[in-house]
Amino acid sequence: GAGVSQSPSNKVTEKGKDVELRCDPISGHTALYWYRQSLGQGLEFLIYFQGNSAPDKSGLPSDRFSAERTGGSVSTLTIQRTQQEDSAVYLCASSPGLGALYNSPLHFGNGTRLTVT
Amino acid sequence: GQNIDQPTEMTATEGAIVQINCTYQTSGFNGLFWYQQHAGEAPTFLSYNVLDGLEEKGRFSSFLSRSKGYSYLLLKELQMKDSASYLCAVRPPINQAGTALIFGKGTTLSVSS
Repeated sequence: GAGVSQSPSNKVTEKGKDVELRCDPISGHTALYWYRQSLGQGLEFLIYFQGNSAPDKSGLPSDRFSAERTGGSVSTLTIQRTQQEDSAVYLCASSPGLGALYNSPLHFGNGTRLTVT
Repeated sequence: GQNIDQPTEMTATEGAIVQINCTYQTSGFNGLFWYQQHAGEAPTFLSYNVLDGLEEKGRFSSFLSRSKGYSYLLLKELQMKDSASYLCAVRPPINQAGTALIFGKGTTLSVSS
């Protein structure tokens, strides 16, 4: 697609429910990143995919968080048993990948605003 | 460790010039990015510096001093639409997280008439 697309744009869920957030990166971008942005905080790195592999999952806040990527394209971030502290904007970004130049920026989607009540 | 510092908020008036500073202490360095983020929108790329000096792009310029761990974003001829958050981000050497950027908390700029 023309840009990074995320859905839903807004999600309100009850504490304890599971949620799935979707990211569709720019066509041809092999690298995909998930970040979390809370009020007054910077972008917190969660996980990175190169193709379908996630070399580093250490940024995920707890084992309630998981992510997968299939076909080297769409990625899903799943949060199980949501807690109020999970409320944040979840941003996805993509870039051409490791073979690209260092000056290749990350291209961000508009994010999913998650509210846990 | 990784640490990126920016002022939390700045205010300026239309037509003025504003300088947003960023200092960083990171384990390795492969360039510094500036992003603009309007409320409720995606961060958008503004500039990239990897060598010392000034990079100019229209009304926006970005400066880097690697020895001082310091960068600034200079905005000239401010317009109301420049009211946004400005994010400083460092690209570390390629590691397990690929080329993921490390972000500061951002500087919220308010431009008034």
